[in-house]
Amino acid sequence: GQNIDQPTEMTATEGAIVQINCTYQTSGFNGLFWYQQHAGEAPTFLSYNVLDGLEEKGRFSSFLSRSKGYSYLLLKELQMKDSASYLCAVVDSNYQLIWGAGTKLIIKP
Amino acid sequence: GAVVSQHPSWVICKSGTSVKIECRSLDFQATTMFWYRQFPKQSLMLMATSNEGSKATYEQGVEKDKFLINHASLTLSTLTVTSAHPEDSSFYICSARVPGGDTEAFFGQGTRLTVV
Repeated sequence: GQNIDQPTEMTATEGAIVQINCTYQTSGFNGLFWYQQHAGEAPTFLSYNVLDGLEEKGRFSSFLSRSKGYSYLLLKELQMKDSASYLCAVVDSNYQLIWGAGTKLIIKP
Repeated sequence: GAVVSQHPSWVICKSGTSVKIECRSLDFQATTMFWYRQFPKQSLMLMATSNEGSKATYEQGVEKDKFLINHASLTLSTLTVTSAHPEDSSFYICSARVPGGDTEAFFGQGTRLTVV
């Protein structure tokens, strides 16, 4: 079967750095997305990785290792508004999105 | 980026009535749209894949006669919750992807359904 694993919840301090990991086992791979979702709102796009390596976009970076079936989302200089759920999603061989359960990130002052 | 509009944002209905939720792609044609359901503090659960001009594909455990999906045009898909019950109360979200396979999913604003 297909499976996406990410931690259920993480806590970090304002101004610090946090890394949210995602491991996957899917039938084929055509890219990996990270989305941010605030409570009661729809998810918003953060990043897309299809090749190995690090993609940096402002305070957010995303890393992919296809051989390890592994990705992480790195958030720097954390702000209170970064408190949200972060969803990892993989595009499988049929170009279907397989979603992880999401990681709830709690930012403390 | 592409825009997906979902309406209504919230709705309260009486038990036994039906509710229709619309999902529109505003600046691109979406041959496929996706309907999700999300309970509090849980991730997205795919209910069905809506295909323009053909029948929707439902995920296991989702009642097709209860959750009617119509994808009548390349820019509109509708989800009708028939004979709604309190347990149907949830956050329903649609999404669409610009044709190309590996593109990001654009989400509608979501619909908060409360059945009383």
